[in-house]
This record gives sequence, C-alpha cells and structure tokens, in this order.
Amino acid sequence: EPEVTQTPSHQVTQMGQEVILRCVPISNHLYFYWYRQILGQKVEFLVSFYNNEISEKSEIFDDQFSVERPDGSNFTLKIRSTKLEDSAMYFCASRDRDTLGETQYFGPGTRLLVL
Amino acid sequence: KNQVEQSPQSLIILEGKNCTLQCNYTVSPFSNLRWYKQDTGRGPVSLTIMTFSENTKSNGRYTATLDADTKQSSLHITASQLSDSASYICVVTRYSSASKIIFGSGTRLSIRP
Repeated sequence: EPEVTQTPSHQVTQMGQEVILRCVPISNHLYFYWYRQILGQKVEFLVSFYNNEISEKSEIFDDQFSVERPDGSNFTLKIRSTKLEDSAMYFCASRDRDTLGETQYFGPGTRLLVL
Repeated sequence: KNQVEQSPQSLIILEGKNCTLQCNYTVSPFSNLRWYKQDTGRGPVSLTIMTFSENTKSNGRYTATLDADTKQSSLHITASQLSDSASYICVVTRYSSASKIIFGSGTRLSIRP
C-alpha cells in the first residue's frame, strides 16, 4: 500500500541553524500539508500546499518557515533559523482530492530537537 | 472559539473489554469529523470520517457516532486488543476550508493483558 515517507526520522540542530525536513507524498496526490506536534501537546496545522503554492497557513507558520516542492516527488519544510520552541514532531500529509471526506494520509514524522 | 475537547484524557482497560471515548466540539461551520489512531512516535492513521448527515460509521471493531445537534461524537471500541493501545484523536474540519482542521488533545488508551 502506498504511504507517505519522511526523512530524516530524527534531527538534532543548534539554535539559529537552518533545517530542511523532507517528505515524499503518495505519488498521485495533489494536496500536501505540514503539521507539528510539540511533545505532550495536540497536533497543530502549519500549512497546506496545492498547485505549487501555499493555499493556507496558520499563525504558527511565520516568516521563519517556508515550503517547496522542488521536483515531482519531494515536499520540503524549511525552518530558516531554528528556535528552542521549534522542537517538535513534524508530520507531512497528503491527499488526492479536495473533496469532503477525502482522507489525509500522514507520514511517520520527523522528530526535531533544537539545542 | 473553535475547539475540540476529548475525554477522558487517559483510560486503562483489560484486554477483551469494550470502551467508549468522547469528543465535544464547538467548531463552526462544521464540515466533517474524523477519528484517528496515533501510535507513539508515529503519524495519525484515519479510522472513520463522518459528515453532517451521518450518525454512525463502523470500521471493524471501531464504531463512531455523531450527534451534530449537540456537537458530540463518540468512538466505541469492541473487544479490545493489546494493539489498540494508542492515542485516539478527534479531528474536526471547518466547512470554510478543507485545510482548516482542528485537533483534539486525544485520549491515551492502554490495554492491559
């Protein structure tokens, strides 16, 4: 069964450094998402992406964040200058149609630790 | 304010027993409600999805109910198995945007042998 994959599974970085989290969505999907989950807290929506542009973003997704689909398969989340509070699990998700009831498929996540 | 509240926060039951998890929401306008299962350190996996007109939806031993009038949903797990140990998350999507989804904090379910 096709699945969303994410790399790396874990990333440790120093505060102020840039990180790029990578996702490979399911191949025929058109809508892509990033979420984060701070340890012990609920999952939070960051951004949605369709047709090579951001369709919606939350208040969390400030100028430090950017997303890109550099080729036909990868979907990346970049954090330009990481802060301690960026430490979280980051989930990528994708789905193939923007219709009611269409399921988003989540990747396994990247655990980011900012020191 | 658009919120999703779940109860209980955590639950421990013996293998083979049934349990029911609750979700109350104040999200408006309502589009759909999903229940996800999230194993520790993994991404959420969809169990059920219900739109406004649906009252109940089953997926194997999982049965979800929705009362759109009272804005309540429940997830009933029958004949629990050790592999059911996970967090169960209620997620509500606002009608205004397919991307505007609001997660509950989840119920941490532990199944004991």
